[in-house]
Amino acid sequence: QVQLKESGPGLVQPSQTLSLTCTVSGFSLTSYSVHWVRQHSGKSLEWMGRMWSDGDTSYNSAFTSRLSISRDTSKSQVFLKMNSLQTEDTGTYYCVGGMGPFAYWGQGTLVTVSS
Amino acid sequence: NTVMTQSPTSMFTSVGDRVTMSCKASQNVGINVGWYQQKTGQSPKRLIYWASNRDTGVPDRFTGSGSGTDFTLTISNMQAEDPAIYYCLQHNSYPYTFGAGTKLELK
Repeated sequence: QVQLKESGPGLVQPSQTLSLTCTVSGFSLTSYSVHWVRQHSGKSLEWMGRMWSDGDTSYNSAFTSRLSISRDTSKSQVFLKMNSLQTEDTGTYYCVGGMGPFAYWGQGTLVTVSS
Repeated sequence: NTVMTQSPTSMFTSVGDRVTMSCKASQNVGINVGWYQQKTGQSPKRLIYWASNRDTGVPDRFTGSGSGTDFTLTISNMQAEDPAIYYCLQHNSYPYTFGAGTKLELK
């Protein structure tokens, strides 16, 4: 069945770079998109960007040039890198993908930005 | 950006009630809308895609409708397992945007 699982450091220092990995199973990255979505504690959801099936990327301009999404199709992994982290970047980060728009969600990974 | 305005912000219901919640888009998004259910401590789960298509395994008491700028999620017969926050999402234009959510609770 389709599964997505996020992994990465739970704690990042301010001004540092966040690196997250999304490992997918049950579908091919060359057939379907994967998105990154974040959620501040107790708040709504915010779309960050997507990796298209053809390897192209689209980003939410709210993240200007801080955000980069890449992939390794041989490992079925999609990566998120975001630099210049601030405390307001604290939240749960989800990767979302599979057949159809935003069909399957990972369990999420909590990232805390703090010194 | 397309703003998705959900109403009400929260509501209390009883088992067996018919529940209706709204999502209004600030511009035409066609049928590029999904509805998501998020229970406490869980990741969101898609219930409805393309505005009115129910996901496999989702009980038929959940119905989505609408197109353009006005969308509705209806729960025809509220059950004890349905309390959650419900979000709408538009994926018609970048940046994709979510509503602020409707929190559904039991009386």
